[in-house]
Amino acid sequence: DIVMTQTPLSLSVAIGQSASISCKSSQSLKYSDGKTYLNWVFQSPGQSPKRLIYQVSKLDSGVPDRFSGTGSETDFTLKISRVEAEDLGVYYCCQGSYSPTFGAGTKLELK
Amino acid sequence: QVQLKESGPGLVQPSQTLSLTCTVSGFSLTSYNVHWVRQPPGKGLEWMGRMRYNGDTSYNSALKSRLSISRDTSKNQVFLKMNSLQTDDTGTYYCTRNLGDYWGQGVMVTVSS
Repeated sequence: DIVMTQTPLSLSVAIGQSASISCKSSQSLKYSDGKTYLNWVFQSPGQSPKRLIYQVSKLDSGVPDRFSGTGSETDFTLKISRVEAEDLGVYYCCQGSYSPTFGAGTKLELK
Repeated sequence: QVQLKESGPGLVQPSQTLSLTCTVSGFSLTSYNVHWVRQPPGKGLEWMGRMRYNGDTSYNSALKSRLSISRDTSKNQVFLKMNSLQTDDTGTYYCTRNLGDYWGQGVMVTVSS
């Protein structure tokens, strides 16, 4: 199985600051169709998860452009510019190129 | 409007079988994949398995021996059955379309005698 390693596991930021989360996969996520199936999923406390980004960098409908995803092969990054209170919660990377697996999650907290 | 809703018993006894239903609306099960994902209390997300749009299934290798996913397209429902439940199967179970674009509200399942 593909192992997804997220760092850091916890991140404290002030409102208005930027935040960056890294996700590394144990092997390349580039699928045979040429696409890379790496998603970022957000879960606020007590809520269902919500996908923010799919295929590395494509924003889901309604997701603010403060969120951006970059990366390729095995190294991926989620960046949040100008963090807002509603962004606090847990972020997971998730690969769908193989039998899906999630990272352990990164908890974004208020400094 | 796309919706998914999980239903099933909140309490299951150890060694028994869990049966959950995901009822969908706003899209066709023959056009989209539906996945099951679970989350133990206070922990992260774990992919369990999927029903593909064409009826094929695939499972997490760690759960494969205990897990079965099926569907009834006429009722817009996807079913999860998992046997030999233990206390560490306690958690919230979600169904999701396409591994994330839409999620259900989740159903909390407690395994306890």
